[in-house]
Amino acid sequence: KAGVTQTPRYLIKTRGQQVTLSCSPISGHRSVSWYQQTPGQGLQFLFEYFSETQRNKGNFPGRFSGRQFSNSRSEMNVSTLELGDSALYLCASSPSSTGNNSPLHFGNGTRLTVT
Amino acid sequence: GQNIDQPTEMTATEGAIVQINCTYQTSGFNGLFWYQQHAGEAPTFLSYNVLDGLEEKGRFSSFLSRSKGYSYLLLKELQMKDSASYLCAVRPLSGGSYIPTFGRGTSLIVHP
Repeated sequence: KAGVTQTPRYLIKTRGQQVTLSCSPISGHRSVSWYQQTPGQGLQFLFEYFSETQRNKGNFPGRFSGRQFSNSRSEMNVSTLELGDSALYLCASSPSSTGNNSPLHFGNGTRLTVT
Repeated sequence: GQNIDQPTEMTATEGAIVQINCTYQTSGFNGLFWYQQHAGEAPTFLSYNVLDGLEEKGRFSSFLSRSKGYSYLLLKELQMKDSASYLCAVRPLSGGSYIPTFGRGTSLIVHP
């Protein structure tokens, strides 16, 4: 079974631009979560999608958005990039968004650098 | 909300035993995860504790005390490849959200 796939692995953008990151979950997994990882803050939750609906949202500004397609693939978009958006963006999938013992399965992430 | 604390960095010697602690304060508790993350790689699942006690998986064990809001990850017979960041994550039970909240991670450096 293929793991969680994120593309691209690396991105360099300039302030003010926008960026779209892609995530393909493990086959059969319907929940996709996005996290931002920085050395100072650790893993911060962005949002979770389940069956094409945003189920949970973290404390990030509206510049951060996402969506999920019918095949469970997900994209996240960041508009009007700021230097502080430089981070590793991790996508994680799990079979369900309900309270069970299923761990999150992470992709290798997209390293975004904003200059 | 949730507050999770774990040491920033630890060092240990190859072949030794190391214990990485995690304390948490949360409104509602539904389990605690431990993940391992090597530099430049994805976090990988190590363990999940829901009930009090020790769960053993080979060289790795994880302990939970719900009443004390405390967990630890025990690594035995340390190997160089165990040098990584270890993330503690708490799964809450509040408002229907089961999204885990992660600590900032403990960077473990194993010396020969």
